Order: sequence, then structure tokens, then C-alpha cells
Amino acid sequence: AQKITQTQPGMFVQEKEAVTLDCTYDTSDQSYGLFWYKQPSSGEMIFLIYQGSYDEQNATEGRYSLNFQKARKSANLVISASQLGDSAMYFCAMRVSGEAAGNNRKLIWGLGTSLAVNP
Amino acid sequence: ETGVTQTPRHLVMGMTNKKSLKCEQHLGHNAMYWYKQSAKKPLELMFVYSLEERVENNSVPSRFSPECPNSSHLFLHLHTLQPEDSALYLCASSQYGDRGHAEAFFGQGTRLTVV
Repeated sequence: AQKITQTQPGMFVQEKEAVTLDCTYDTSDQSYGLFWYKQPSSGEMIFLIYQGSYDEQNATEGRYSLNFQKARKSANLVISASQLGDSAMYFCAMRVSGEAAGNNRKLIWGLGTSLAVNP
Repeated sequence: ETGVTQTPRHLVMGMTNKKSLKCEQHLGHNAMYWYKQSAKKPLELMFVYSLEERVENNSVPSRFSPECPNSSHLFLHLHTLQPEDSALYLCASSQYGDRGHAEAFFGQGTRLTVV
């Protein structure tokens, strides 16, 4: 079964500290992609970072980095130097390869982690 | 101007009403999506349109009827909804079949309450 698990319903972090949000996945596909999205209280899902299953290096985007451990099937998001504006829900999602080439539309989502950054 | 715009932001409707949600994307993408986000459930993909053709319908009840008149606009027509349909409805767009990952860009959603 294809599944995303986020085991932390809620997390707290002190401003300027780093925080790791956990994500584990389950798939039998060899080719897949992992995404992290941020959803502030306004509702919009904001794309943060992507890791492909064949990427050899961990993805980084500014203060966001993805700790990709393929053997453990984990794709944890690390946010460095937390800011008050980072308080939001964070979702991990997995793109699974479809039946046809270029079928990159289907995402499996986790339940999310609510992050609160304390001043 | 945001890339994906949804209107209205909030909607309260009775079970016998008919209403429509609107989504517009300004990103030149060729695929658009409707998602339903309910509390304590993973995001649910409802419909996918690629090049204005519906390519996926994930067993959504017929009281939800999508319409995609062109690649920039997507509607979700609602009629005789149930209270359990109350949720945040998110529209997204992406470039289908292009790059390896082609992340989806989302609108801010419509918070729907069925009374």
C-alpha cells in the first residue's frame, strides 16, 4: 500500500532554532518523488521542497532541507533558524508513478504536522 | 496577483442550494485539480483535468460536478450537498507530463459549510 505517515501531530520550536518534521513513506515503486508543503492559517498550500527517489543528494531550498534516507523510507524536513512566520501546518506528500509515462499528477498526502514557533 | 485564485473564500449553503466554486490559474499550466481537505483526514484528490479533459474522478458523488471550460479556469458545481461535505476545497494547477516532479501550486481554498 502507498502511504505517507507523519507521526507528529504538533511540534513546538523556539525562534531561531532548527526543527525536524518527520515523514515516512511506503511504496513499492522504484521511481517516486517526495514533496513538502506548508499551509498557513490562510489555507493556501505552499510548495517548499522536492526530493526525487533517484536524487543522490539531499534537497535544499534556503532554510529548508530534506533529510532523505531511502533505506529507511524517510524524508524528514529540517527547518533551520525558525521564524515566527514558519508557524503553520506542514504536509509531506508522495508522487507515485502512474501507469503511463509522464503521469505525475497523483499525490499521496500525510495528515500533517502543526508547527508553532515560540518567540 | 497570486498564481491560483479561488472564489469565494467562504461559502455557507443549505442542503437544497446550488452553488459553484471558481478557480483561475495564471501560471500557464495545463492541468488543474480539485482537492477536498477535511479535519483529521489526508488531502483527497477529487478531480483532475489535463488539457481541459477530465482524466481522473476519484469516486466523487454526483452532487459534485466539475467543469473546465479552458486551461485557465476550473469550476466545481455543487447541488444537494450533505453536512459531511463541509470542508476546505482546494484548487491546484501544475504542468502535467512535463518535468519530473512538476509541483502543484494551490489556491487559498474555499471554506464550505453545509447547513
